[in-house]
Amino acid sequence: RKEVEQDPGPFNVPEGATVAFNCTYSNSASQSFFWYRQDCRKEPKLLMSVYSSGNEDGRFTAQLNRASQYISLLIRDSKLSDSATYLCVLPNFGNEKLTFGTGTRLTIIP
Amino acid sequence: NAGVTQTPKFRVLKTGQSMTLLCAQDMNHEYMYWYRQDPGMGLRLIHYSVGEGTTAKGEVPDGYNVSRLKKQNFLLGLESAAPSQTSVYFCASSPGLLREYDTGELFFGEGSRLTVL
Repeated sequence: RKEVEQDPGPFNVPEGATVAFNCTYSNSASQSFFWYRQDCRKEPKLLMSVYSSGNEDGRFTAQLNRASQYISLLIRDSKLSDSATYLCVLPNFGNEKLTFGTGTRLTIIP
Repeated sequence: NAGVTQTPKFRVLKTGQSMTLLCAQDMNHEYMYWYRQDPGMGLRLIHYSVGEGTTAKGEVPDGYNVSRLKKQNFLLGLESAAPSQTSVYFCASSPGLLREYDTGELFFGEGSRLTVL
């Protein structure tokens, strides 16, 4: 099983809708995660950090489900500018590395 | 604010040619990384450095070499390019030791698109 797995999508969602996608992980000891956003042909940028059970930032909510070993990203009232690929990232505090998921592509439709 | 700058941004090579990608950061970060990104594979770590004069292998180091002679620069070299090295290469930096409850933020360059024919 891969360390981090994501549904690649694409998710095509109408503007204003709520969308959620998950990321599963294999290391049951993991307690922190990150969501990065990557626009088409651009570099990844940090969107949110997730510690303990979850985090909320405006229209974005990230939650961690340790029992089922997945984290989710919920986007409410989606905007056209939310169209991007969302990368789930697992930190390894022992060797200073981040493991990136392959990303979920989201397209918001007018 | 320059942040992380990669050069060149685009390059086409023939099989067997060599080249060097340069990454420069002006944030005084200790840690620097080279990733490659391929469709369906996500970002994979090639090499990284935890400080000036140090380098370490990542997940996919074969065919690449790196050097960190100055704190602000991290060079990625391809000694004999192969078509399998066609990819988008990202350099990134971070302030230092990755500790729990850190923001987890890596600062990425804009990427270098390399095609090997």
